[in-house]
Formats: sequence, C-alpha cells, structure tokens
Amino acid sequence: RKEVEQDPGPFNVPEGATVAFNCTYSNSASQSFFWYRQDCRKEPKLLMSVYSSGNEDGRFTAQLNRASQYISLLIRDSKLSDSATYLCVVTTYRDDKIIFGKGTRLHILP
Amino acid sequence: GAVVSQHPSRVICKSGTSVKIECRSLDFQATTMFWYRQFPKQSLMLMATSNEGSKATYEQGVEKDKFLINHASLTLSTLTVTSAHPEDSSFYICSAREWGEDGYTFGSGTRLTVV
Repeated sequence: RKEVEQDPGPFNVPEGATVAFNCTYSNSASQSFFWYRQDCRKEPKLLMSVYSSGNEDGRFTAQLNRASQYISLLIRDSKLSDSATYLCVVTTYRDDKIIFGKGTRLHILP
Repeated sequence: GAVVSQHPSRVICKSGTSVKIECRSLDFQATTMFWYRQFPKQSLMLMATSNEGSKATYEQGVEKDKFLINHASLTLSTLTVTSAHPEDSSFYICSAREWGEDGYTFGSGTRLTVV
C-alpha cells in the first residue's frame, strides 16, 4: 500500500458545484496533514492545514478521520480559478519526512 | 508569511556539467530544508532532507554523490547536480518550514534542462 494515495482524477466539475476528494495514508503515526494546490508548472502552495476537529476556510473545508486514516477536501461553489492539482501532504513526527500524494486534478468547467 | 527564495528559476546546461541550485529562507531560520524533484505530470518526490551543519539524508534511490547538498547556514541550502545528464532534466523544488507556522513554504522551483 502506498504511503499516501489520492484519486488522480481528473474531476470535471461545472462552475458553482461542490466537489470533494479524499486522500488516504498508511502510516498511523502520521502527525500533520495539509492540502496544497499546484498550478501547472508552478510550485505547490499551501491551501490549508487539516486539523482533527476539521477546519473551514471560506469555500474550503478539510476533515481528518484518524480512525480510517484519510483526509478530505470539500470545495463549495467552485470557481474557474479553482482548477488546479490538489496535493495531499502527510508528515511524520517531527517532520522527518513529508510525503506527497500524487495529486488530484480538478477542472472547473464554465 | 514565510518566504523561500530559490534560484535560478530556469537553467539549461550541457551534458556532463554541474549545476548548483540555491534555496534561501528569508526572514526565518530553517534548520531543515527539503529537496524535491518533479517530472512532468507526476507528483513531487522527496530527494533528500538537508540538515544545517550535518550531512543530508537521502531517499532510497537518490545518488548522494550525484546530488550534492550543502546546508552551511540556517538560511541557505544548495543542491548541486553533478555531471548532469538529460535524464536529470526535471523541476527541482526546495521547501522549508518556519517554526510555529503551519505547512511548508516552497521555493519557486528550478526547471533544469540538460542538453
């Protein structure tokens, strides 16, 4: 089983719709979780951290399920500018290793 | 927020030459920096963890003699691709984390093309 797995997509979603995708991780000792956004040929940028209690930032909601070892990202009222690849990032204790998922490609359709 | 400066952003070199990529943390100290490589349409792959004042930790399959990492100060890590070959052509990105901040900040990446 891969350390971090994501559905590569692409997810083709009409503008204004809600889209959600998950990321599963294999190491139960994982400590920190993040969602990054990467635009084509650019560096990844932090979208949001994922906390045990779940967190929301505007149209974006992240959830962590430790029992099932997955994190999720929900995007509401999707915009054309949301089109990107979303990378799931998991770190182990003391950040001795940062593991990236392969990313989920999202295309928002006009 | 934390800023990581990486340069050059783009470099083309001849096969057999060496290329140095710099990664600097601006306004914060980074005892640890990470170096990644990303091939087209693939995810970031961790190459090595750069530790200030000590040897870098390389991931399995990454040749430490080919990818030399130096982390001589708390704000600078360098990656030198030695005797570059066309298969080394890739997007190289560094990242660091400022203490107390969420997430990791990435440099803008270096697109290396070896001809």
